[in-house]
Amino acid sequence: DIQMTQSPSTLSASVGDRVTITCRASQSISRWLAWYQLKPRRAPKLLIYEASSLESGVPSRFSGSGSGTEFTLTISSLQPDDFATYYCQQYNIYWTFGQGTKVEIK
Amino acid sequence: EVLLLESGGALVQPGGSLRLSCAASGFTFSNYAMSWVRQTPGKGLEWISAISGGSRSTYYADSVKGRFTISRDNSKNTLYLQMNSLRAEDTALYYCAKVRVPASITEYFDYWGQGTLVTVSS
Repeated sequence: DIQMTQSPSTLSASVGDRVTITCRASQSISRWLAWYQLKPRRAPKLLIYEASSLESGVPSRFSGSGSGTEFTLTISSLQPDDFATYYCQQYNIYWTFGQGTKVEIK
Repeated sequence: EVLLLESGGALVQPGGSLRLSCAASGFTFSNYAMSWVRQTPGKGLEWISAISGGSRSTYYADSVKGRFTISRDNSKNTLYLQMNSLRAEDTALYYCAKVRVPASITEYFDYWGQGTLVTVSS
């Protein structure tokens, strides 16, 4: 099984901050990685697929990078609507999620 | 507009059974693989099962294999998850999710429902 290790588990930040979340795969997954945003009582939202492709309608302050085993999600300037929990997901072999990163208000 | 609406979540005793449903609209349901994913406070998101568009292929996580069965009725645009021999650790919010690429199964999920809560407790 492919394990996904995401860090940090919690991130305290302010509006306007640049935020980076890291995801590491236990083996190479090429670029088969997606990022999702979760908020309570809302359907999870796809942000990034194939490591760096921005989903239609997602603000350009979100970006993804990486390949192989190391990936990052960056929010260039944190907005009030961005306080949420973020998950990475590999889809190279079946599907595995990271443990999640909660972005909270500092 | 793509919509996925889960239902069927409930409080159930350990060892009991439950069937979840996911009603889909806004796309040609039979063309797309679908999955179930659950969320727990302690473990975050966990993929548990997937099914191809024509039901030929099904996949399960080890944690539910032999206890859960995924199925779909393309005439009703509905996905199901039959859950048997439920355990306390199955307590979670269960989401259904649509795969992005038609006729493919190992892809990311572009739409999710809002989830249905399953609580396993005596």
